[in-house]
Amino acid sequence: AQSVTQLGSHVSVSEGALVLLRCNYSSSVPPYLFWYVQYPNQGLQLLLKYTTGATLVKGINGFEAEFKKSETSFHLTKPSAHMSDAAEYFCAVSEGEVGDMRFGAGTRLTVKP
Amino acid sequence: NAGVTQTPKFQVLKTGQSMTLQCAQDMNHEYMSWYRQDPGMGLRLIHYSVGAGITDQGEVPNGYNVSRSTTEDFPLRLLSAAPSQTSVYFCASSQQVTSSPYGQFFGPGTRLTVL
Repeated sequence: AQSVTQLGSHVSVSEGALVLLRCNYSSSVPPYLFWYVQYPNQGLQLLLKYTTGATLVKGINGFEAEFKKSETSFHLTKPSAHMSDAAEYFCAVSEGEVGDMRFGAGTRLTVKP
Repeated sequence: NAGVTQTPKFQVLKTGQSMTLQCAQDMNHEYMSWYRQDPGMGLRLIHYSVGAGITDQGEVPNGYNVSRSTTEDFPLRLLSAAPSQTSVYFCASSQQVTSSPYGQFFGPGTRLTVL
């Protein structure tokens, strides 16, 4: 079955600094890849997704991610962190259009003033 | 649209009790799923359904049952609660992922404690 590994359970950056959250996946077929964000005491919200086509995907709130098949990676970046970006971020992989979606363990992002 | 709704928001059970977590969506989505979220483990898929009358097991199905008699509803049943089932449970629904710009819609969660 497909799986996701998120490197770093906790990332801390200063406001205005680059945000880089790492995600590596394992899949036996071309994957669908997702990044979700979770704010405290809330459900998950989709940031962006890769299905097919362009490997650089732009999402909401200035985030983007690049699908690198050779590295089996889908890292999430944002050029300049904002205090409101503090949340938990989850990478997820699906091997089909519906069905079994697997999530990583999550990375908690802290933004320091 | 109410989106994905879950009831109750909080629940405390004693070991061995049974209960049903309710999930409903009003977006006519075919795909619905249940996850549990535990610290340091992310979200783990319990069961999912690709349409009324069709369900399948996810990563951690033991101790849980589901059924899907209508498109709108996807209840999760705990047969005999155990302390290991203490968790936050999320229900989600979606269209096919390639056609939906929103991915899965998640409910607000149910926080379950089993004593």
